[in-house]
Amino acid sequence: GDSVTQMEGPVTLSEEAFLTINCTYTATGYPSLFWYVQYPGEGLQLLLKATKADDKGSNKGFEATYRKETTSFHLEKGSVQVSDSAVYFCALRNSGGSNYKLAFGKGTLLTVNP
Amino acid sequence: NAGVMQNPRHLVRRRGQEARLRCSPMKGHSHVYWYRQLPEEGLKFMVYLQKENIIDESGMPKERFSAEFPKEGPSILRIQQVVRGDSAAYFCASSDGGKTEAFFGQGTRLTVV
Repeated sequence: GDSVTQMEGPVTLSEEAFLTINCTYTATGYPSLFWYVQYPGEGLQLLLKATKADDKGSNKGFEATYRKETTSFHLEKGSVQVSDSAVYFCALRNSGGSNYKLAFGKGTLLTVNP
Repeated sequence: NAGVMQNPRHLVRRRGQEARLRCSPMKGHSHVYWYRQLPEEGLKFMVYLQKENIIDESGMPKERFSAEFPKEGPSILRIQQVVRGDSAAYFCASSDGGKTEAFFGQGTRLTVV
């Protein structure tokens, strides 16, 4: 079945450091890929998405590129801020019959220190 | 424009009791999804409902768990005779169609003691 594997956390960085959170997937067909963020005490929010190979999703300085050849969708940000501290989830949604289901990774806790 | 509202945010139940989790979708949304996040795990799909219909309950445990989304009122996830293994965060999401973006609530954290 469809699955997502993302980098284990927690990740602790200093402000203005470079961030990478790795995400790889296994899926049949042509999935759409997502990064969700959960700030403390809040629900999951869609951060960015990509719907086909080589697409780049971007939002709030975060980027991720859909790499079909490596089945990856790594999240990057050039300069993190304290306000980026949150849990980040990589997810996919397949294009097949059950195309409403999201398959999530375990989440990566990011803490950014001043 | 209120988002997806879940209540309660935290719920403590003793083993054997019933837990009822509520989810009010965003205004205009008629599709509701429930996900469960066990400790150290990602969110796992449980059930997909439209008004008065269960579309896909393939992720629901076969016993003790049920879900409904009545014509009026919130969606309810009901867990009967809770056990310690039911302790988890339960997230609800809603959308205005099966293929469109789903918006998530803050979750209900169930603790079974």
